[in-house]
Amino acid sequence: DAGITQSPRHKVTETGTPVTLRCHQTENHRYMYWYRQDPGHGLRLIHYSYGVKDTDKGEVSDGYSVSRSKTEDFLLTLESATSSQTSVYFCAISDERGSTDTQYFGPGTRLTVL
Amino acid sequence: ILNVEQSPQSLHVQEGDSTNFTCSFPSSNFYALHWYRWETAKSPEALFVMTLNGDEKKKGRISATLNTKEGYSYLYIKGSQPEDSATYLCAPYSGGGADGLTFGKGTHLIIQP
Repeated sequence: DAGITQSPRHKVTETGTPVTLRCHQTENHRYMYWYRQDPGHGLRLIHYSYGVKDTDKGEVSDGYSVSRSKTEDFLLTLESATSSQTSVYFCAISDERGSTDTQYFGPGTRLTVL
Repeated sequence: ILNVEQSPQSLHVQEGDSTNFTCSFPSSNFYALHWYRWETAKSPEALFVMTLNGDEKKKGRISATLNTKEGYSYLYIKGSQPEDSATYLCAPYSGGGADGLTFGKGTHLIIQP
């Protein structure tokens, strides 16, 4: 298994509160991604990073921000959580060729916004 | 956003039978096509990354083919076993200066003993 961990694994929060999810890798891979999984939509890309301090938006980036200050950590922040952000969040990593290369997924974080 | 279609949405197969399903994607600006296997309560597991027209990849009883000119890929499972029960996702990548995959909604495969 690729060395990817996500924390927390489960979180319940209230509407309007800030939430930060962490993805940590031990593989020294360049690319990191955040996806969300919802019934009827499958996996959708939120944001990705192609290096330290280099990030870009994905398909469903509204309401989310990210930061990558170290190669091994990619943080996803919901500034003010809404019920529509209740989802399972997956982090993924890939090496130098980005999406032309295999992406390895973390175990996921289940977030419930009440 | 790419239009990715997977068919069928779900499939019930008898143990020991072989099966296949389809991923359709835009043929323009093609870079790569990924296949993933996703078991319930787990994270997606990479099966193949295919980049060349005519590519064929194999992993045990699972194989895949790629036609980039017409925009489709087939995944085959030979002699299905209960442990093959999972959702199979495909995800094309079209480059264009952005990164990240666009996933299809998957084919949910159930192997019946």
